[in-house]
Amino acid sequence: GENVEQHPSTLSVQEGDSAVIKCTYSDSASNYFPWYKQELGKRPQLIIDIRSNVGEKKDQRIAVTLNKTAKHFSLHITETQPEDSAVYFCAASLSYGKLTFGQGTILTVHP
Amino acid sequence: GAVVSQHPSRVICKSGTSVKIECRSLDFQATTMFWYRQFPKQSLMLMATSNEGSKATYEQGVEKDKFLINHASLTLSTLTVTSAHPEDSSFYICSAGPGSTGEQFFGPGTRLTVL
Repeated sequence: GENVEQHPSTLSVQEGDSAVIKCTYSDSASNYFPWYKQELGKRPQLIIDIRSNVGEKKDQRIAVTLNKTAKHFSLHITETQPEDSAVYFCAASLSYGKLTFGQGTILTVHP
Repeated sequence: GAVVSQHPSRVICKSGTSVKIECRSLDFQATTMFWYRQFPKQSLMLMATSNEGSKATYEQGVEKDKFLINHASLTLSTLTVTSAHPEDSSFYICSAGPGSTGEQFFGPGTRLTVL
């Protein structure tokens, strides 16, 4: 089955800096790669996703890049703000929706 | 986005009892729903795929007789934790998507505490 590795497990940045979280996956058939933000005790919220037919996608301060050859994808957050502090999860999936999650990254943005 | 609800949000039960958790898609039909479990400070682990009108598909290591799943309609899936024990205490979250695109929407989760 699919295996997703996520790094780093914790990330601490100063407000205004950029944050990068990286994930690798094992199943070359996976073609959907979402990123979720989860606050304590809450449900995961989709923040951005990318499909295998594109290499990069951007939404304001958030971007995701995908390298299918190397089987890795990354989340980039620019101009970080304290409210970006949360746990971030990457995931990989075939189209039918079954998600395999990475281990999560605790992002802390210091004012 | 699509809306998925879960009930109850929190439940405390005694060891040995059974607990039923409901997952509903409110504004779309879902032939497939997914059940995840999340222990404190850990990631979400898929437990099973709930298929409308047929048997659920369980992930390796998940006891199908302990975690009963029923998906009797296109908007409702239920997870019953039978003979619950303290080690079953966890955050249970369901997800569903309105199409075959892969995008999943999560329910708010159910915090189960078994005493």
